[in-house]
Amino acid sequence: EAGVTQSPTHLIKTRGQQVTLRCSPISGHTSVYWYQQALGLGLQFLLWYDEGEERNRGNFPPRFSGRQFPNYSSELNVNALELEDSALYLCASSIFKPGQETQYFGPGTRLLVL
Amino acid sequence: GESVGLHLPTLSVQEGDNSIINCAYSNSASDYFIWYKQESGKGPQFIIDIRSNMDKRQGQRVTVLLNKTVKHLSLQIAATQPGDSAVYFCAETFYNQGGKLIFGQGTELSVKP
Repeated sequence: EAGVTQSPTHLIKTRGQQVTLRCSPISGHTSVYWYQQALGLGLQFLLWYDEGEERNRGNFPPRFSGRQFPNYSSELNVNALELEDSALYLCASSIFKPGQETQYFGPGTRLLVL
Repeated sequence: GESVGLHLPTLSVQEGDNSIINCAYSNSASDYFIWYKQESGKGPQFIIDIRSNMDKRQGQRVTVLLNKTVKHLSLQIAATQPGDSAVYFCAETFYNQGGKLIFGQGTELSVKP
């Protein structure tokens, strides 16, 4: 069974630009989560999508946004990039049911903002 | 943020020894806990989980212990191998947490051959 996939693997952008990251969940999973892993700061929750709706967001500014498509894949958009947005962006998926909420992670997209 | 990782604790063990990685969690309402392994350049990989109605759970070469009284979680790895070298994170959540996993700072395990 294929795991969570993400694209692209690496990206280099400059300040002020916009970026779109993509994620395909494990087949059968309806929930997609996005996390940011900046150097020295651990994993920080960004967004949760389930059944096409944004269900929760972490403590990030509105320039971080996303969406989930009918096939449950998801995009994360970051506008007006800042240097501190440089990080590994991780997508995870799960079945959202009590008792089955284990989140499985993809390999991540490494974003460097210059 | 809830996850602070400015100084990553490290654990160095000899190949074949047992490893114990500890984690203090933050929320007494958390009822589900997961251990992840993250190798360099990769995403976190699920190792084992435990619910708050259990004290211990065993997997292949790994055991997770949960002490709710002191909000402490540990991961024991038996017969540690060089392939176990990675950063290990504990994560906590509860049903109304809105899908959010709260991660610990991580511990870097280094296995010497």
